[in-house]
Formats: sequence, C-alpha cells, structure tokens
Amino acid sequence: DTEVTQTPKHLVMGMTNKKSLKCEQHMGHRAMYWYKQKAKKPPELMFVYSYEKLSINESVPSRFSPECPNSSLLNLHLHALQPEDSALYLCASSQQMGAGELFFGEGSRLTVL
Amino acid sequence: GENVEQHPSTLSVQEGDSAVIKCTYSDSASNYFPWYKQELGKRPQLIIDIRSNVGEKKDQRIAVTLNKTAKHFSLHITETQPEDSAVYFCAASIEAGNMLTFGGGTRLMVKP
Repeated sequence: DTEVTQTPKHLVMGMTNKKSLKCEQHMGHRAMYWYKQKAKKPPELMFVYSYEKLSINESVPSRFSPECPNSSLLNLHLHALQPEDSALYLCASSQQMGAGELFFGEGSRLTVL
Repeated sequence: GENVEQHPSTLSVQEGDSAVIKCTYSDSASNYFPWYKQELGKRPQLIIDIRSNVGEKKDQRIAVTLNKTAKHFSLHITETQPEDSAVYFCAASIEAGNMLTFGGGTRLMVKP
C-alpha cells in the first residue's frame, strides 16, 4: 500500500462551522505533513509531525488545529475559517521528516462561504 | 532560508517536441532536488529526483541535470506526449530534517 488517503474529498462550510479533515497512511512513515495549495500555486507547508509530535508549525492561524492520534493518522480541525482559507488541503507523508520522497494524498478541496 | 525560482511559468509544445524547465536555488547547502508532476485535479507525484553527488539522471523520456556551481537544475522531457500535460514543480532541500522549498510551478501543455 503506497497510498495516502484523505477524506472528505470536498467540503463546504460556513464561517461559524467546525469540521475536520482526515488523512491516513499505512506505509510505516514517521513524518506526516499538511500543505495548503491555492489555484496555480505550489503547495505551502502548514504543519509537520515527526514520530507523532508536532515539529513544525509555519505560523498557521489558530483556526487550524492539527492532531496526530497515532503514527498512521493525521487530522486537521477547522473552526471559524475565513473565505480566503478556501483551498486544496494536501496531506503527505515520508519515511522521516525532510528525507526522501513525499507521498501526497489527493487532497480535500475546502470552500468557506 | 532557501528560495527556488522556476521558469517558464507556462510552456506550450507540439507533441513529439522536447520541453525544458529550469530552476535556480539560493542555498548552496541544498543537496536534494526533486521534481513533482501534478495533473489537473490530482495529487503532486514525484517523477524524478537528483542528489548533489550526481550531475545528471535519466528515466526513460525524463532527465534532470544539476549544476551545483551555478545553483541551477533542469528537467528535460523528450518526445512529449499529451499525457505529459500537467503542472511541474521543482523543489530543493537540505535532506534529512529540512523541508522542501517548491518553485512556483510550470504549466506544460502538449498539443497533439
């Protein structure tokens, strides 16, 4: 299994809603990442977990809250988002933090109304 | 920190022609240079990578060259096909612990 699975594929939410994005990998990778991608732009790093501990937070607003319940799962909790947060949210994993190939999921396309 | 610039931002070629995408980086300590392909509505996928102890690497119709002195690296696609149409991102990092810095992307269109 060389896949990173993300749910949901699409999400529409209001500015007062609370929702979560989920990511799963079963490749035994010890690093997991959240990226945000706007149209026609490269992925922007948001968070990195290494061995289930938050290692990098790229000054992301607190309305985005990551969680790593175990070595295979990564969540991104969303609360009080703004329309400008609408984007494709990509989860990725790699064997170790910053080393080797990044395996991306298909992404969750988020629209904030 | 690292800064990666990528050119051109769009590239249109005729099927069968070659395509070249170029990237420059700023941090001379960077030693890992992957290329990702992202088809419309799909995930980015690694297509080839090169490390700084190598000057060139080939995989069928795809090749990457690295010039460490000039701090630039390039992706070459020969005999392009319509299915090569996608956005290509270069990236650079100091491997082991450092995160990738992506270039701005190149939209490649291969016309049949």
